Amino acid sequence: DSGVTQTPKHLITATGQRVTLRCSPRSGDLSVYWYQQSLDQGLQFLIQYYNGEERAKGNILERFSAQQFPDLHSELNLSSLELGDSALYFCASEDRVTGELFFGEGSRLTVL
Amino acid sequence: AQSVTQLDSQVPVFEEAPVELRCNYSSSVSVYLFWYVQYPNQGLQLLLKYLSGSTLVKGINGFEAEFNKSQTSFHLRKPSVHISDTAEYFCAVSDLEAGTALIFGKGTTLSVSS
Repeated sequence: DSGVTQTPKHLITATGQRVTLRCSPRSGDLSVYWYQQSLDQGLQFLIQYYNGEERAKGNILERFSAQQFPDLHSELNLSSLELGDSALYFCASEDRVTGELFFGEGSRLTVL
Repeated sequence: AQSVTQLDSQVPVFEEAPVELRCNYSSSVSVYLFWYVQYPNQGLQLLLKYLSGSTLVKGINGFEAEFNKSQTSFHLRKPSVHISDTAEYFCAVSDLEAGTALIFGKGTTLSVSS
């Protein structure tokens, strides 16, 4: 158990819809990362938040957004969903000393 | 920008054979290096990490890796694999100078058969 909790574990929705993925980091970790894993693109960094502020952006589409709340949980919002958005979305929290990332078990999104 | 190359996308081996999974990263003065493992239908789990000090790093499940700065490599090795080592392995680098998020390679699928 990494200490990082992601919900939901599985989500099936239709094109054009909007979904929200939730992540609770390890106790004491201030930084949350979102990654997208797909067969063709591998593990792609989307966005990072640190103590409520956006810290870094990766290959995140404009249709996607995220935020980190005062209690440090984070949400990734995916809108106007397309078939190609089907993937496994991982959240990770970062150890402040080593930079090691602790990953949740992921949210598997299927867009039909 | 920092990048990570895992030279083999798939590595099939027989049980009890040795294995090496190769990883190269683009040059940087200061990096932290990691290997993660992903078992089927699970999240990523840290195998081992290099932060500083000894270039030979030992991790969980009998894996080890050697940091080679001149060759910008961080290859993962195990002297004798088990069926249970079948998984996907990811090499990752953290560029301390650029302060970027952890960058992952595309992964190597290790398939161990009897």
